[in-house]
Amino acid sequence: GNSVTQMEGPVTLSEEAFLTINCTYTATGYPSLFWYVQYPGEGLQLLLKATKADDKGSNKGFEATYRKETTSFHLEKGSVQVSDSAVYFCALSHLQGAQKLVFGQGTRLTINP
Amino acid sequence: DAGITQSPRHKVTETGTPVTLRCHQTENHRYMYWYRQDPGHGLRLIHYSYGVKDTDKGEVSDGYSVSRSKTEDFLLTLESATSSQTSVYFCAISEGQGGTEAFFGQGTRLTVV
Repeated sequence: GNSVTQMEGPVTLSEEAFLTINCTYTATGYPSLFWYVQYPGEGLQLLLKATKADDKGSNKGFEATYRKETTSFHLEKGSVQVSDSAVYFCALSHLQGAQKLVFGQGTRLTINP
Repeated sequence: DAGITQSPRHKVTETGTPVTLRCHQTENHRYMYWYRQDPGHGLRLIHYSYGVKDTDKGEVSDGYSVSRSKTEDFLLTLESATSSQTSVYFCAISEGQGGTEAFFGQGTRLTVV
């Protein structure tokens, strides 16, 4: 079946540090890949996505590249800010049919000033 | 922000009682979903709908039922609540199929005592 594995959290960094959150997946066919972010007390919102191999999604300084050979979609940011503190979810879905997202367990990120 | 309203936002109920959570959208999106969020599991799909009166099961559907009598409303019912159903429940909507963005409500925190 389909599954997503994220690096264990929580992750604590200082402001302006480099961020990597690892995500690997298992899926049949060629899924679309997503990073969603959840700020305290809120629902999830899409951060970025990639729909085919070698695509790079980017938004708000975050980037992730769809690596089919390593079945990975790692999230990176060159210089994090306190406002990036949130829970980050990696997810996949297939292009056909409903947007049935399969999520990783989430990684809680805290950025200290 | 996508127009998604979940109600109630918080609920405490007793074991064995029926509970209905409501999701209302103003976006006229075709697809609607119910997820539950639990520590260590990320979000898991309970049920989804692909049109009025068209619904299907997700990964963790046991103990839950859904109904969609209008495009804008998607109801999740716990027929007889159990403590294992204590969770945060999120409604989501999407316009297209997999690969498109899903928009999430703010969540309903349900506690079964």
